[in-house]
Amino acid sequence: ETGVTQSPTHLIKTRGQQVTLRCSSQSGHNTVSWYQQALGQGPQFIFQYYREEENGRGNFPPRFSGLQFPNYSSELNVNALELDDSALYLCASSLEGGQGWDAEAFFGQGTRLTVV
Amino acid sequence: GENVEQHPSTLSVQEGDSAVIKCTYSDSASNYFPWYKQELGKRPQLIIDIRSNVGEKKDQRIAVTLNKTAKHFSLHITETQPEDSAVYFCAATSGYSTLTFGKGTMLLVSP
Repeated sequence: ETGVTQSPTHLIKTRGQQVTLRCSSQSGHNTVSWYQQALGQGPQFIFQYYREEENGRGNFPPRFSGLQFPNYSSELNVNALELDDSALYLCASSLEGGQGWDAEAFFGQGTRLTVV
Repeated sequence: GENVEQHPSTLSVQEGDSAVIKCTYSDSASNYFPWYKQELGKRPQLIIDIRSNVGEKKDQRIAVTLNKTAKHFSLHITETQPEDSAVYFCAATSGYSTLTFGKGTMLLVSP
């Protein structure tokens, strides 16, 4: 098991509502990336936070936003939920040296979001 | 941006056989290629990775090969066991571990 934890594990929301998902990174890791995994698909990159700054964003609208805290934990916020936002949301933590050299990314167990 | 294609989408083998999953990528700047195993309802688990300065890497029954010229990389599992049954994802990245994933291969190992 990795040291990456996510909460909650399951969530049901109504269309139009807002949701906040949380991720605690593995001890010593300074980078958190968020992914959306629709049923039967591979994870899709949403955005990444490195030392509390957004460090890259995938093809997701601005209603997907995030934060990283000084302890490197992170939040994913989604406003104005749509039915298509139903998915497994995964966070991955890694230790980046800032030189662009990739480090191994370890995933949390995910939050299963259902929008009705 | 990066695009990763993965084949096959499903793969059925008998216990003890070998399994090969292939991926191609589009961005020649990509330099890190991890493979993840995801069991039903669980998190993706990193099983092996390879960097662009290496052509092959092996870890017990699992090996990965990389051909930078052709922009493809492959996962090889030998002596498959029923517990190898899962969905396998390849991924590629050119910086800061922002991974682009393939669509996955469902591997079924029959006893």
